[in-house]
Amino acid sequence: SQQGEEDPQALSIQEGENATMNCSYKTSINNLQWYRQNSGRGLVHLILIRSNEREKHSGRLRVTLDTSKKSSSLLITASRAADTASYFCATPDQTGANNLFFGTGTRLTVIP
Amino acid sequence: GAVVSQHPSWVICKSGTSVKIECRSLDFQATTMFWYRQFPKQSLMLMATSNEGSKATYEQGVEKDKFLINHASLTLSTLTVTSAHPEDSSFYICSARLAGGLYGTDTQYFGPGTRLTVL
Repeated sequence: SQQGEEDPQALSIQEGENATMNCSYKTSINNLQWYRQNSGRGLVHLILIRSNEREKHSGRLRVTLDTSKKSSSLLITASRAADTASYFCATPDQTGANNLFFGTGTRLTVIP
Repeated sequence: GAVVSQHPSWVICKSGTSVKIECRSLDFQATTMFWYRQFPKQSLMLMATSNEGSKATYEQGVEKDKFLINHASLTLSTLTVTSAHPEDSSFYICSARLAGGLYGTDTQYFGPGTRLTVL
């Protein structure tokens, strides 16, 4: 299975703190994507990082990618209660089928 | 831009009935759409890839006669859960692929999901 794994599975922090989530995957990739999902809702695309990039920023989000270790991290700085959600990494199917394989997800709770 | 809608958002049905879920790309054409299933507190699992004008490609373990997919136009794919049973209760999410979209690479845009409850 290409499904990745994320850790921690659950993370609870105080508002204002930083939250770091990690994702590991199994196969070679062209890019890795991070998504957010509020409880019982659809997915929202957050950021995409290509395999030739090591770090990318978007607002309060910082994503790193280490292709040698097949891992990525998502950092949310200065967290807010509204950041409470589940976060998934996803990698594209390399067989050309254009599927996305999702990690197991990290459930983030930001306490006001 | 790049909005995907699903209808209905929530459906409750009796065991044995069939349920149709629609997935629409509202402001772009999508030759490829995907259907995912998500159980509570779990990740998304790809069920099938829907290609406009051709048969869907199902993932291993997904019964094609149980989950009928039709992608009749570039903006609409439907998933029909036939003879639904309680174990089919789940959150079904579709996505539509926009070629050369965000960041200049193919990007999937996700619908808001449909919660199916089979009594």
